[in-house]
Amino acid sequence: AQSVAQPEDQVNVAEGNPLTVKCTYSVSGNPYLFWYVQYPNRGLQFLLKYITGDNLVKGSYGFEAEFNKSQTSFHLKKPSALVSDSALYFCAVRERRGGSYIPTFGRGTSLIVHP
Amino acid sequence: GAVVSQHPSRVICKSGTSVKIECRSLDFQATTMFWYRQFPKKSLMLMATSNEGSKATYEQGVEKDKFLINHASLTLSTLTVTSAHPEDSSFYICSARAGEEQETQYFGPGTRLLVL
Repeated sequence: AQSVAQPEDQVNVAEGNPLTVKCTYSVSGNPYLFWYVQYPNRGLQFLLKYITGDNLVKGSYGFEAEFNKSQTSFHLKKPSALVSDSALYFCAVRERRGGSYIPTFGRGTSLIVHP
Repeated sequence: GAVVSQHPSRVICKSGTSVKIECRSLDFQATTMFWYRQFPKKSLMLMATSNEGSKATYEQGVEKDKFLINHASLTLSTLTVTSAHPEDSSFYICSARAGEEQETQYFGPGTRLLVL
């Protein structure tokens, strides 16, 4: 089975500093990887995805993620954090199961940006 | 981007009653919809996958008779929590995908269910 791991429950960063939210994956074949963000009491919003092509993927709200095949990682990054970036972030991988593509989510990382 | 709505956004009900939650794709046809349950500060637990016109596929451990899912059209799926109990209180989120080969899911805003 394919899976993603988010090793950090929480990441704290000061406003203006760069941020990184970690994700590693375990898949057979080529991975389809995603990042989503969830604000309090809301559904998830799509940030970015990696399917193929450039290892550096740019997404919404200034976020980007780097696909690293040798390290099986897909870390989410932003050069300068904003207080408004504080939210729950989910990494996800698409796996094929029972003839259908099923998304599998990591456990989530809470990002807290301090003013 | 594609928009998915959920209704109601919040519901409070008495133990033993049934609650229906609707999930609609507003500007695209969703051949596949997913239903998730999320506990406080926890990840999403996939409950079931539904394809339009066919029976839902439930994840292991999810009671299909308790959580009834119907995907009668390409823009609407419903989740009915039957004979709800306090332990069913949770945040329920649906998502939709335009096709099997479409990579991106679009999520609804969620429904907060509180069973008294």
